[in-house]
Amino acid sequence: QQQVKQSPQSLIVQKGGISIINCAYENTAFDYFPWYQQFPGKGPALLIAIRPDVSEKKEGRFTISFNKSAKQFSLHIMDSQPGDSATYLCALENFNKFYFGSGTKLNVKP
Amino acid sequence: NAGVMQNPRHLVRRRGQEARLRCSPMKGHSHVYWYRQLPEEGLKFMVYLQKENIIDESGMPKERFSAEFPKEGPSILRIQQVVRGDSAAYFCASSPLGGLYSNQPQHFGDGTRLSIL
Repeated sequence: QQQVKQSPQSLIVQKGGISIINCAYENTAFDYFPWYQQFPGKGPALLIAIRPDVSEKKEGRFTISFNKSAKQFSLHIMDSQPGDSATYLCALENFNKFYFGSGTKLNVKP
Repeated sequence: NAGVMQNPRHLVRRRGQEARLRCSPMKGHSHVYWYRQLPEEGLKFMVYLQKENIIDESGMPKERFSAEFPKEGPSILRIQQVVRGDSAAYFCASSPLGGLYSNQPQHFGDGTRLSIL
């Protein structure tokens, strides 16, 4: 049973552009929504996270938008840079059990 | 390096052999989680352990797979009689708190890439 659906599977953005990655979920029992960044050959690293009582959280160039009624949350990367090229994983958490999306491979063209 | 340490980074086994994957959590973390990642797929939860206890193993295959986190030493994920389908990257994560203290970020190691010949 897939708890979270992530899209798109891959994304190509020009340097300086905005990258947008979306995740949708069904079960409302989740109470923590982190995004992880993963480079090839490395483990996922926490990028930014949000709780459902907040609709938006911004950290530098990274912003999470959360729509509780639509059961969707998204990651926006402003002024995308080639160094942002990586796989991005959204996740849902409930009592320490994490469910991950299938990942979005972002390629930022110079 | 105070991060989550996994070893070996790469492990090659022949069908029918045993694979042992080790994970040392971050200093001060007493909760360990194992995930499996297949190519082009996200991370799939396998098992959640505390010292000497298995808290949730709902993601573990019922046969051939086992995990432990002893009082002393690293957490071990053990796969007996490996088959080709076990080829994947196995990641370990740790957190300082668990149970009722949810909303804790999990910190990941760099994984063990298991290849079955």
